[in-house]
Amino acid sequence: DVVMTQTPLSSPVSLGQPASISCRSSQSLVHRDGDTYLNWLQQRPGQPPRLLIYKISNRFSGVPDRFSGSGAGTEFTLNISRVEAEDVGIYYCTQATQFPWTFGQGTKVEIK
Amino acid sequence: EVQVVESGGDLVQPGRSLRLSCTTSGFNFGDYAVSWGRQAPGKGLEWVGFIRSKTYGGTTEYAASVKGRFTISRDDSKSIAYLQMNSLKIEDTAVYYCTRYGGRPDYWGQGTLVTVSS
Repeated sequence: DVVMTQTPLSSPVSLGQPASISCRSSQSLVHRDGDTYLNWLQQRPGQPPRLLIYKISNRFSGVPDRFSGSGAGTEFTLNISRVEAEDVGIYYCTQATQFPWTFGQGTKVEIK
Repeated sequence: EVQVVESGGDLVQPGRSLRLSCTTSGFNFGDYAVSWGRQAPGKGLEWVGFIRSKTYGGTTEYAASVKGRFTISRDDSKSIAYLQMNSLKIEDTAVYYCTRYGGRPDYWGQGTLVTVSS
């Protein structure tokens, strides 16, 4: 199985400051079709997960442009350019390149 | 508007069965795969299984932890996917989420709580 490792697990950030979350996979996430199925999810307190970024760097509909994703192969990053209060929650990276799909442990973003 | 709604969660005893439903609307259900995931209380996300669209054979994939006990099916005429859970264990206690999948897990339901306890 592909192991997804996120760092840090907790990220206290001041409002308006940037935040960055790393995600490393134990194997390359490049699919045989050439795409990389690395996605980022946001889970606000008491809410279901929500898709933020798909295939490394594509923002899903309605996602603010302060969220961006980057990376390749086994190393990926989610950046929030200026953290707002509504960004508080847990962020997960997840791979859908190979079964079983797997998730990172989650990174808790909170306001300092 | 795309909508995904899970239902069927309940309190059940270990060893019993339960069937969850994922009712959808606002899109052509038959064109999409469906994924099921879960989240135990206070824990992270865990993938449970997946069913392809009929275009891709309607075949299924399962996590090792549920394989042989859980079965995913779909009724395209009703735009519903199902998760049949048999031989439930205490460790299956979780909120179960259904997700539309068309190359990305884009629409998630609110989840339905399954509690396995004696």
